[in-house]
Amino acid sequence: KQEVTQIPAALSVPEGENLVLNCSFTDSAIYNLQWFRQDPGKGLTSLLLIQSSQREQTSGRLNASLDKSSGRSTLYIAASQPGDSATYLCAVSERYSTLTFGKGTMLLVSP
Amino acid sequence: EPEVTQTPSHQVTQMGQEVILRCVPISNHLYFYWYRQILGQKVEFLVSFYNNEISEKSEIFDDQFSVERPDGSNFTLKIRSTKLEDSAMYFCASGSGSGELFFGEGSRLTVL
Repeated sequence: KQEVTQIPAALSVPEGENLVLNCSFTDSAIYNLQWFRQDPGKGLTSLLLIQSSQREQTSGRLNASLDKSSGRSTLYIAASQPGDSATYLCAVSERYSTLTFGKGTMLLVSP
Repeated sequence: EPEVTQTPSHQVTQMGQEVILRCVPISNHLYFYWYRQILGQKVEFLVSFYNNEISEKSEIFDDQFSVERPDGSNFTLKIRSTKLEDSAMYFCASGSGSGELFFGEGSRLTVL
């Protein structure tokens, strides 16, 4: 059974720092990996999708990498801002689009 | 930008009552899903729906749950007889076939 783990569980940084969020998964036979943002009490906003054949994806200040063979992905956030404060969720798909989620990393960026 | 919309945003119900949660997926999407998140826990898959039938369901999705796409635009989740442990945020999601899923804002269900 696929298990997704995210480290750290919580992270607090001052504004302007570059930071890395980690995601690991136990079964490397994935179809894709998706990073989401969740604000308190809100829905999930898709940030980046990495297909299993890809190594990384970039969107603005966000860069996600995927090392399928080692079962790892990282989300890099450059020049963090207070508006980046949220919970970041990693999810993998083994079968077509059924996602298995990690518990998330709660990020707080202070001014 | 197209989005998945869900109603109600919050529903409070008594144990044993039936609940219907509604979703309007993104209009050109063909794949539809329900997920749930119990407070403080991971988001969990419930069911996927394609071509007017269930394509996959999890162990959570027992006989108390059903899904329907009654009119070509709405996608509903029905819980026949709610239990205390059904209290959670329920998320609807849709996808075009690219593999990327788009989620709604969620419906918070509180069972008393």
